[in-house]
Amino acid sequence: NIVLTQSPATLSVTPGESVSLSCRASQSISTSIHWYQQKSNESPRLLIKYASQSISGIPSRFSGSGSGTDFTLSINRVESEDFSIYYCQQSYSSFTFGSGTKLEIK
Amino acid sequence: EVQLVESGGGLVQPGRSLKLSCAASGFTFSNYYMAWVRQAPKKGLEWVATISTSGSRTYYPDSVKGRFTISRDNAKSSLYLQMNSLKSEDTATYYCARRTEAPFDYWGQGVMVTVSS
Repeated sequence: NIVLTQSPATLSVTPGESVSLSCRASQSISTSIHWYQQKSNESPRLLIKYASQSISGIPSRFSGSGSGTDFTLSINRVESEDFSIYYCQQSYSSFTFGSGTKLEIK
Repeated sequence: EVQLVESGGGLVQPGRSLKLSCAASGFTFSNYYMAWVRQAPKKGLEWVATISTSGSRTYYPDSVKGRFTISRDNAKSSLYLQMNSLKSEDTATYYCARRTEAPFDYWGQGVMVTVSS
């Protein structure tokens, strides 16, 4: 099974800062990584697919990069509505999710 | 507008069975793979099952293989999850999700399943 390790577990930032969230795969998965946002008591929402492909309706401040084993979700100038948990998911072999990064207000 | 509405959750004793349903609308249901994903309380996401467009192919992780069965009725635009031999570790919110290519692009609001005596 492919294990995804997300870091940090919690990231405390001030609105307006730009951040990078990391997801590392236990083996090479090409670009088969997808990112989701989950706000408190809500369902997950797809933000980025295949490492860097944008999703219709998602603000342009969200972007993704990486290939192989190391992937990054970047948020340019965090807004108040962005404070939530972010998960990465791989689809290279079956499906697994990372444990999540909680983005909280400093 | 794509909508996925789950139902059928509740409290069930260990070893018993439960069947979840998901009513889909706003898209051509028969054109999409569908899946169930669960989330234990205060925990992360875990993929539970996937079914092909026709229902002829199904996929499960080892944690539920042999106990859970995913199925669909394209005429009713409905997805199901039959859960047998339930364990306490199956306690979670269960989400119905549409699968496009590889990621899950739409999710239902979720239904809670509690396995406890």
